[in-house]
Amino acid sequence: ELKVEQNPLFLSMQEGKNYTIYCNYSTTSDRLYWYRQDPGKSLESLFVLLSNGAVKQEGRLMASLDTKARLSTLHITAAVHDLSATYFCAVDIRNDMRFGAGTRLTVKP
Amino acid sequence: DVKVTQSSRYLVKRTGEKVFLECVQDMDHENMFWYRQDPGLGLRLIYFSYDVKMKEKGDIPEGYSVSREKKERFSLILESASTNQTSMYLCASRTDYSNQPQHFGDGTRLSIL
Repeated sequence: ELKVEQNPLFLSMQEGKNYTIYCNYSTTSDRLYWYRQDPGKSLESLFVLLSNGAVKQEGRLMASLDTKARLSTLHITAAVHDLSATYFCAVDIRNDMRFGAGTRLTVKP
Repeated sequence: DVKVTQSSRYLVKRTGEKVFLECVQDMDHENMFWYRQDPGLGLRLIYFSYDVKMKEKGDIPEGYSVSREKKERFSLILESASTNQTSMYLCASRTDYSNQPQHFGDGTRLSIL
């Protein structure tokens, strides 16, 4: 059974600091997705990672995928308040999409 | 832009009622999904459908059924609602091209009293 584990589940950061969110999964897959969810809103796609070693960057967020380690990371650089949200990773096994529990990020001034 | 529309934003029903949650997408996507979202548990897949009249069970199908009579519409049915089905329900759709993400609706917050 595919399991997807994210950590940490809660993250409180100061503005300007760096941090990494981790996503481990239990079954071989080369397709991993990161989503963002703002309070009361639906999920918005951030990154699609399709192969080992894939790296994508958008603004202060950078995502990477290591399929051999079954690990993806979402790195936050110089955090700003606007990044406060819940971040989910999701792993795709033949259209069966499984999500991690989410990381609730709070960025404080 | 892909639009996934869920019929209700908030819904309150009573224990034992049969409840229908509707989802419509406008991008001719082959695949549609129903999740429930609970604090600390993330999104859990209830059912998905990869074609009209086709369905696959997800992690937690017990107490639910689905219907996909038309490509654009995917319905989630709670056969006899129970209080432990109080949750946020999210519908998503996705094209068959596997490098594309899912597109989500705004969610239905369902309360079973």
